[in-house]
Amino acid sequence: GAVVSQHPSRVICKSGTSVKIECRSLDFQATTMFWYRQFPKKSLMLMATSNEGSKATYEQGVEKDKFLINHASLTLSTLTVTSAHPEDSSFYICSARDLVQAHAEQFFGPGTRLTVL
Amino acid sequence: AQKVTQAQTEISVVEKEDVTLDCVYETRDTTYYLFWYKQPPSGELVFLIRRNSFDEQNEISGRYSWNFQKSTSSFNFTITASQVVDSAVYFCALSEASGNEKLTFGTGTRLTIIP
Repeated sequence: GAVVSQHPSRVICKSGTSVKIECRSLDFQATTMFWYRQFPKKSLMLMATSNEGSKATYEQGVEKDKFLINHASLTLSTLTVTSAHPEDSSFYICSARDLVQAHAEQFFGPGTRLTVL
Repeated sequence: AQKVTQAQTEISVVEKEDVTLDCVYETRDTTYYLFWYKQPPSGELVFLIRRNSFDEQNEISGRYSWNFQKSTSSFNFTITASQVVDSAVYFCALSEASGNEKLTFGTGTRLTIIP
């Protein structure tokens, strides 16, 4: 299957700082990438849909000014958690869909574990 | 609105036993896709299967099998002769077949295989 990478895999930061998480499709092009958040022992909740070259679409209840998403190319989307606070600590997972294959499955990155002190 | 229900939050079975994980979904779409993912302790989601709503044939892949019953809106997953490496959280998910095809996940079932 296709490979999606995330960087960093783990980050610890102080409250008030901003953290950027990268999501890359390594061997395919993705017009659409998705960002999910997972609290411990909970399910994945979709935060936003990232579309290359346009603004992201956020799910209800997700603050777009808090979670900045940029999808600058067909292989890279970034999520920036601005002014992070302890309640933002979570496991963030991205996924990407292959541009060529319609209705294909999404390929998930390995996730980024964010801890805000 | 779409919804996926995995009523079993945790299951423990002894190694070599068979185990079935239940998944019930709700959608107004006539065309949709169903998925199963495995999430081991490392956190990475591992894709197991995708099934579209028009294909109700059951599928078998090694020790894994899936039973799709449109009449009961269920897409159950069975592991035969379970192994310790099967221990993980398993998620059932649903996506619409048009638009951006975002996934709606169930709450997951934590499966523990006891050696």
